[in-house]
Amino acid sequence: ETGVTQTPRHLVMGMTNKKSLKCEQHLGHNAMYWYKQSAKKPLELMFVYNFKEQTENNSVPSRFSPECPNSSHLFLHLHTLQPEDSALYLCASSQGTSGDAYEQYFGPGTRLTVT
Amino acid sequence: GQNIDQPTEMTATEGAIVQINCTYQTSGFNGLFWYQQHAGEAPTFLSYNVLDGLEEKGRFSSFLSRSKGYSYLLLKELQMKDSASYLCAVRDSNYQLIWGAGTKLIIKP
Repeated sequence: ETGVTQTPRHLVMGMTNKKSLKCEQHLGHNAMYWYKQSAKKPLELMFVYNFKEQTENNSVPSRFSPECPNSSHLFLHLHTLQPEDSALYLCASSQGTSGDAYEQYFGPGTRLTVT
Repeated sequence: GQNIDQPTEMTATEGAIVQINCTYQTSGFNGLFWYQQHAGEAPTFLSYNVLDGLEEKGRFSSFLSRSKGYSYLLLKELQMKDSASYLCAVRDSNYQLIWGAGTKLIIKP
């Protein structure tokens, strides 16, 4: 248990569906992240929020839409996805985004399959 | 471009020692992290190096040479539960983490 929870753990959706992934951290951290993890590839950073403000958007397609209502919650809204978007989506949090160690704590991920 | 290289897969024997290497080319350097990820689980933090040298933490040690762009993770007295993927990540000048693809470590009895 890392203090970061994600729901759902598994999701199968068609290309025309709309769904949302939820992440919650109980660590009092100020920064939250969305990553995409595909088999045998490096973790791909998608979005970074620091104190609820988006600070990074790594050229992610608009079919992925993040939302951060407060420092403890992060959502990833999905619509009209493609089969190549099937992957493990990981949420992480850290105390901050610069200085010192600030290791990231990860949630268990959502295994997404787009059919 | 920025790049992290680590072996795709390694095999070792229970009770032995294994060294997982990581080389990097990044825009600036603000620390190197090692994470462990068991299949189907979240990555968990193992170690952090920002200065050259060896950091020891129980059975695990991590080494850094900034001049060589090189790090290794050393695992001693291997146990079956050490079977996992080991991820190397470097924080660049913008404090963004650049990740390697991970090394899958298989431990055999």
